[in-house]
Amino acid sequence: DTEVTQTPKHLVMGMTNKKSLKCEQHMGHRAMYWYKQKAKKPPELMFVYSYEKLSINESVPSRFSPECPNSSLLNLHLHALQPEDSALYLCASSLTGAGGSTDTQYFGPGTRLTVL
Amino acid sequence: GESVGLHLPTLSVQEGDNSIINCAYSNSASDYFIWYKQESGKGPQFIIDIRSNMDKRQGQRVTVLLNKTVKHLSLQIAATQPGDSAVYFCAENRGGYQKVTFGIGTKLQVIP
Repeated sequence: DTEVTQTPKHLVMGMTNKKSLKCEQHMGHRAMYWYKQKAKKPPELMFVYSYEKLSINESVPSRFSPECPNSSLLNLHLHALQPEDSALYLCASSLTGAGGSTDTQYFGPGTRLTVL
Repeated sequence: GESVGLHLPTLSVQEGDNSIINCAYSNSASDYFIWYKQESGKGPQFIIDIRSNMDKRQGQRVTVLLNKTVKHLSLQIAATQPGDSAVYFCAENRGGYQKVTFGIGTKLQVIP
């Protein structure tokens, strides 16, 4: 299995809703990432988990709450989002999270989130 | 601040011709560079990578060139096909750092 899967593919939610995005990989990777991508822009890093511990939080608002239940799963819990949070949310994984040429990140297809 | 950028936001190429997508980077400490392809509605797909101790690397129909002197990276696609139409991002990383920095992207349009 050489892919990263994400569910759901699309999500529409109101500003008072609570929802979760899910990401899964079975490549034995120990680093997992959340990115946010607005239309016609490059992906922007949000969070990095390395060996199931949060190692990077790029000053993301607390209405986004990541969780890494085990080395294969990564969740992003959403609460009280704003319309400007509408974007494509991408999950990625890499072997170790050490960076550099041995640690290529592989991306999932993303979840298209719309906040009404 | 340090950044990775692209010279051309949109590139139109006739089917069968070769495509060249350029990228400039400013962080001289970067030692690993990656090209990703992103089709509409999909996540970025790894194409090819190159380490800073190399100046050229070839894959299937793709070649990446690295010029460290002028901090320039390029992706060459041979015999461009309609399926190559996508946005292409260059990205940089270095050992010991988990953060990958993406360039702004170039949209490649293949004209049949």
